[in-house]
Amino acid sequence: GQSLEQPSEVTAVEGAIVQMNCTYQTSGFYGLSWYQQHDGGAPTFLSYNALDGLEETGRFSSFLSRSDSYGYLLLQELQMKDSASYFCAVRNNAGNMLTFGGGTRLMVKP
Amino acid sequence: DTEVTQTPKHLVMGMTNKKSLKCEQHMGHRAMYWYKQKAKKPPELMFVYSYEKLSINESVPSRFSPECPNSSLLNLHLHALQPEDSALYLCASSQQGDRTYEQYFGPGTRLTVT
Repeated sequence: GQSLEQPSEVTAVEGAIVQMNCTYQTSGFYGLSWYQQHDGGAPTFLSYNALDGLEETGRFSSFLSRSDSYGYLLLQELQMKDSASYFCAVRNNAGNMLTFGGGTRLMVKP
Repeated sequence: DTEVTQTPKHLVMGMTNKKSLKCEQHMGHRAMYWYKQKAKKPPELMFVYSYEKLSINESVPSRFSPECPNSSLLNLHLHALQPEDSALYLCASSQQGDRTYEQYFGPGTRLTVT
C-alpha cells in the first residue's frame, strides 16, 4: 500500500517563502505530483518530479529525494491568492493511479 | 480546450433515488477518473477508465456504477445511496502512460444524500 504524510496547516506572511513537506511510503514509486485546491474549487496540477532534484515553474518549485522518500513544494513571494490546500500525490506502478496525501492547508496573512 | 465539465453542480437525492453524474472532456485524453472527496480530506480514487475500459475499481460499493460511453464522456450512476455517500464527486482526465501524473479535474458535483 501507499502512505503519504503532510503537515496539516502552515501559516505564512504575504511576500514570504514557504516550504510544504511530503514524506511517502510506497512500492513501485514512479514520481511525485503536487496539486493546489482552493476552497470550493477543483484540484489543479502544479508540478511533477520523477528524478531527484529541483523543478522550478515561476514562483513554485518542487523538490524530490528518492533515497529519503521525501519531497517538498516551495512557494516564493507569497500572495493572498496562494491560500489554498496543497496535496502531494504519488504515481505508482499501477500506472494510471495517483494516491493523494492528506494535504497542507496554507494560510497567507497580510 | 483544457476544461473538464461536470453536471450537475449540485445534487440532492433520497436513498431510494436513481441519478447520474456526467463528465465531459475534449482534450483527447484516453484516461478518465472518478474521485470522491469529503470536506478537508484528499480526493479518493474510485474508478479509472483507460481507452474506455474500466481498469481500476478501488473496491467501490456496487451502488456506484461507472460508465464510459465514448472517449469524451464519463458517467457515474447512483442508486440506493447512503447518507455517508454525501461528498464532492470529482471527474478527471489525463493522457496515458507517463503523463498520468498530470490530471485535469472538473469542478465536481456536490452530492447530498437525505
